[in-house]
Amino acid sequence: GESVGLHLPTLSVQEGDNSIINCAYSNSASDYFIWYKQESGKGPQFIIDIRSNMDKRQGQRVTVLLNKTVKHLSLQIAATQPGDSAVYFCAENRGGKLIFGQGTELSVKP
Amino acid sequence: KAGVTQTPRYLIKTRGQQVTLSCSPISGHRSVSWYQQTPGQGLQFLFEYFSETQRNKGNFPGRFSGRQFSNSRSEMNVSTLELGDSALYLCASSLVTGTSTGELFFGEGSRLTVL
Repeated sequence: GESVGLHLPTLSVQEGDNSIINCAYSNSASDYFIWYKQESGKGPQFIIDIRSNMDKRQGQRVTVLLNKTVKHLSLQIAATQPGDSAVYFCAENRGGKLIFGQGTELSVKP
Repeated sequence: KAGVTQTPRYLIKTRGQQVTLSCSPISGHRSVSWYQQTPGQGLQFLFEYFSETQRNKGNFPGRFSGRQFSNSRSEMNVSTLELGDSALYLCASSLVTGTSTGELFFGEGSRLTVL
């Protein structure tokens, strides 16, 4: 069936390093993808989005890359900080429904 | 500007009971979506309301229902509760319907435990 999946359930990085979180999707017709961050006890928070007519989009310390050929997207966080520790979800906007991946838990070591 | 407010934050019910959860969106937002979050299934879309009309529905049984009022506030109801309904129920609001943007603003959720 169709799904949005993540490669790694956990990721541990040193403070100051760059983080890369990956996501694979199976619906080749998908044209809009979003990354969310969820801190413990809170709801998901929008980070950045990208449409299928783009390969890359940058925000503040974050970059999303989209590779439609292999149906893969990634979230890069520059100079990772302790406050970046959270679960990160990729999501696909499919006809008005957000289809979420299972999430990757990012831990930042001081 | 106040965020999305969900009530109650925590509740415990027993099997067979029903529950109603409430969501107040950000002022001016007309779209409200509901999601169920569990450790096993992750975040799953329940339904979306826009201007008091259900615009989209996920793959949940008819025991899950919702509605939206003229002030954009929304409620969801789960009848005949089952153990598997234990979850964090998240409400999200947005300015426009979810078909055009993924920039949803989530509340902190209502954590339902079914015993």
